[in-house]
Amino acid sequence: DAGVTQSPTHLIKTRGQQVTLRCSPKSGHDTVSWYQQALGQGPQFIFQYYEEEERQRGNFPDRFSGHQFPNYSSELNVNALLLGDSALYLCASSLGGPTSPLHFGNGTRLTVT
Amino acid sequence: DAKTTQPPSMDCAEGRAANLPCNHSTISGNEYVYWYRQIHSQGPQYIIHGLKNNETNEMASLIITEDRKSSTLILPHATLRDTAVYYCIVRAGGTSYGKLTFGQGTILTVHP
Repeated sequence: DAGVTQSPTHLIKTRGQQVTLRCSPKSGHDTVSWYQQALGQGPQFIFQYYEEEERQRGNFPDRFSGHQFPNYSSELNVNALLLGDSALYLCASSLGGPTSPLHFGNGTRLTVT
Repeated sequence: DAKTTQPPSMDCAEGRAANLPCNHSTISGNEYVYWYRQIHSQGPQYIIHGLKNNETNEMASLIITEDRKSSTLILPHATLRDTAVYYCIVRAGGTSYGKLTFGQGTILTVHP
């Protein structure tokens, strides 16, 4: 039973560029959340997708957007990259209930130069 | 979501029990206590969660005080592979959906 998978594992981009990160949820899960983890910090909630719609959003600018597909997989898009966007981006999946535990992937390490 | 307070670091000898405390004095009645850990270069791993009763699974035990203002995660026989950052998180049971608010966590180091 595959867990949460993310691609790519590492990525290097230049300031001003755009990036797309991908996530496949754990089998049976229908909800996907995205988190940003800066070096030495705990993960910070970006947003959550359920039934192909953004259901909740954290304190991130509109440069961060997402999408969920009918097969529950998801993408995170970041436009106009800044140096401060360099971080580990984590995807987590869960069932739709409010107390269902989140299961995380191992993330995509994004470096912006 | 209620704020949690954890010691920044703890040490434990291999084979001994590791007891990780967490203070959540402002927890509300519908908020759950979750524990996750993160090993270097990996995503957070779910360990256990509870509302007010003590919980046990194959990884750990969670002891929640009667007033629910604090809890303790117990790893009964710590191994070197348990060295990680442990996060105690309080999560609302209603409309919080996927949102987990991570703090700084406790760095647990298990020594041989």
